[in-house]
Amino acid sequence: QKEVEQNSGPLSVPEGAIASLNCTYSDRGSQSFFWYRQYSGKSPELIMSIYSNGDKEDGRFTAQLNKASQYVSLLIRDSQPSDSATYLCAVNTLRDDKIIFGKGTRLHILP
Amino acid sequence: GAVVSQHPSRVICKSGTSVKIECRSLDFQATTMFWYRQFPKQSLMLMATSNEGSKATYEQGVEKDKFLINHASLTLSTLTVTSAHPEDSSFYICSASLRTSGGATDTQYFGPGTRLTVL
Repeated sequence: QKEVEQNSGPLSVPEGAIASLNCTYSDRGSQSFFWYRQYSGKSPELIMSIYSNGDKEDGRFTAQLNKASQYVSLLIRDSQPSDSATYLCAVNTLRDDKIIFGKGTRLHILP
Repeated sequence: GAVVSQHPSRVICKSGTSVKIECRSLDFQATTMFWYRQFPKQSLMLMATSNEGSKATYEQGVEKDKFLINHASLTLSTLTVTSAHPEDSSFYICSASLRTSGGATDTQYFGPGTRLTVL
């Protein structure tokens, strides 16, 4: 089982709708979870971090964490064409205190 | 806050030459710096982990003698691609980690990347 799994996409969402990006992880002891956005040809930029079960909101973005299910998601409300990018989920591993990145989900917002 | 710079942003060189890429954390001291490589339409690949004053830890399959890493201070790490060849052409990205308040582990902040083209 891969340590951090994401659907590669592309995920196509109409402009104005909610985009839902999902990520599962294998290390049950993981404590820190991150979402990064990467535009084509650019480096990743941090969108949100989450450490506790539940929801964390920041503007149009909401991160959701469910440690029992080993599942973390990112919701983007009122999706805009500028949200079209690859979204990387990252999770720390207690085993060696590394942050492991998923392969990313390509999101395409349809105008 | 948490700004990471990389220099140069783009480099074109001839086969056989060496290229040095600098990574700096501008407004914080980084506990650790990381070097990644990303080929077109592929995912990030961690090359090595670098701590100030100690030898870098390389991922499996990454040649230590080809990709030299020097971590001179808490704000500067350099990656030197020695005797570069066309297959080394890629997007090289560094990141620096910062322990933020409320975080159980460090958060990684990425530099803007260096696009290397070897002719």
